[in-house]
Amino acid sequence: EIVLTQSPATLSLSPGERATLSCRASQIVSGYVAWYQQKPGQAPRLLIYDTSNRATGIPARFSGGGSGTDFTLTISSLEPEDFAVYYCQQRSNWPLTFGGGTKVEV
Amino acid sequence: QVQLVESGGGVVQPGGSLRLSCVASGFTFSTYGMHWVRQAPGKGLEWVAVASYDGSRYNEYYTDSVKGRFSISRDNSKNTLTLQMNNLRAEDTALYYCAKDRAYGGSNYFDYWGQGALVTVSS
Repeated sequence: EIVLTQSPATLSLSPGERATLSCRASQIVSGYVAWYQQKPGQAPRLLIYDTSNRATGIPARFSGGGSGTDFTLTISSLEPEDFAVYYCQQRSNWPLTFGGGTKVEV
Repeated sequence: QVQLVESGGGVVQPGGSLRLSCVASGFTFSTYGMHWVRQAPGKGLEWVAVASYDGSRYNEYYTDSVKGRFSISRDNSKNTLTLQMNNLRAEDTALYYCAKDRAYGGSNYFDYWGQGALVTVSS
């Protein structure tokens, strides 16, 4: 099973700041990484798939990058609605796996 | 618009069984893979199982912890996805989400999610 390790566990920032979230895989995942946002009491929302492709309706301030085993989600300028928990997910191997999450808080 | 509505959650004793259903609308159900993803209270996300667009048994996959206990199936004539859960354990306690695959034929990313069905395994 591919283990995804997200860091940091918590990121304390202010609106307008840049957020950089990390996801490291235990083996090469060939770019098959997605990112999701989850707010309290809500289902997750797909933000990015295949490392860098924004899902439908996702604002341009969200971007993804990386390769091999190291991937990042960047939020260029935090909006108040961006404070949430973010998960990475790989589809390179079965079983599909998620990282443990990064909470972006004020 | 795409809607996924789960039902069938509840409280069950260890060793018991439960059957979750997810009724889909707003898209051509028979052309997309469908998944179950769960989230234990206060914890992260865990993928559970996938049913391919055509329901082929050869393209079902499960996370290791549920193999042999859970079974995923679908009825494309009724736009319904099902998860049969047997021999339930305390660690299966979670909110179970039904999720639609992002791409026609299957991408194993999830672009639409239901609101979840809560399963509690407790004596």
